[in-house]
Amino acid sequence: SQKIEQNSEALNIQEGKTATLTCNYTNYSPAYLQWYRQDPGRGPVFLLLIRENEKEKRKERLKVTFDTTLKQSLFHITASQPADSATYLCAHVGGRYSSASKIIFGSGTRLSIRP
Amino acid sequence: DAGVTQSPTHLIKTRGQQVTLRCSPKSGHDTVSWYQQALGQGPQFIFQYYEEEERQRGNFPDRFSGHQFPNYSSELNVNALLLGDSALYLCASSLVMADPYNEQFFGPGTRLTVL
Repeated sequence: SQKIEQNSEALNIQEGKTATLTCNYTNYSPAYLQWYRQDPGRGPVFLLLIRENEKEKRKERLKVTFDTTLKQSLFHITASQPADSATYLCAHVGGRYSSASKIIFGSGTRLSIRP
Repeated sequence: DAGVTQSPTHLIKTRGQQVTLRCSPKSGHDTVSWYQQALGQGPQFIFQYYEEEERQRGNFPDRFSGHQFPNYSSELNVNALLLGDSALYLCASSLVMADPYNEQFFGPGTRLTVL
């Protein structure tokens, strides 16, 4: 079955540095990869979406890359701030062997930015 | 413009009981999806409703059922509760024809504890 893997270990970095989070998937490529932010006790908040035929997508300090050969997406936060501390979820959406509306989430990576 | 709302916020039940959770989608949205999120895990897709019908379903037993009303709001019902049903239940709404396709807006969730 399709699996979405994110580093379960928390990532701790110094304020101002670039945080890089990894999302790997097995089997088939998704139609889209989405990235969400989730704060404790809250629902996920959509951040960015990257399509299968896109290599990179940017939004302000955020950048997402998608490598279908490696079956991997990288999520970067540049000039990180303590307010960026949260859990970041990768979501695999649709794909050739799956309904376009089926979404599979990874377990998330907790990011902590220290001042 | 109200976002996705869910009720109740918290709920405590005992094994064997039945529970109903409610969700009102973001204004203008017509599709509602339900997710179960266990502690430390990513959301797991339960099912999706569109036009008052269940359109997609994840790997959840028939104890989990739902309904969508003409005003697009939705209910999630869980029968014969088990201890393992304790989780955060998230509702997400989307507009099926929107672009980017399948961007979902999540509610704050209902925390269900089964004793």
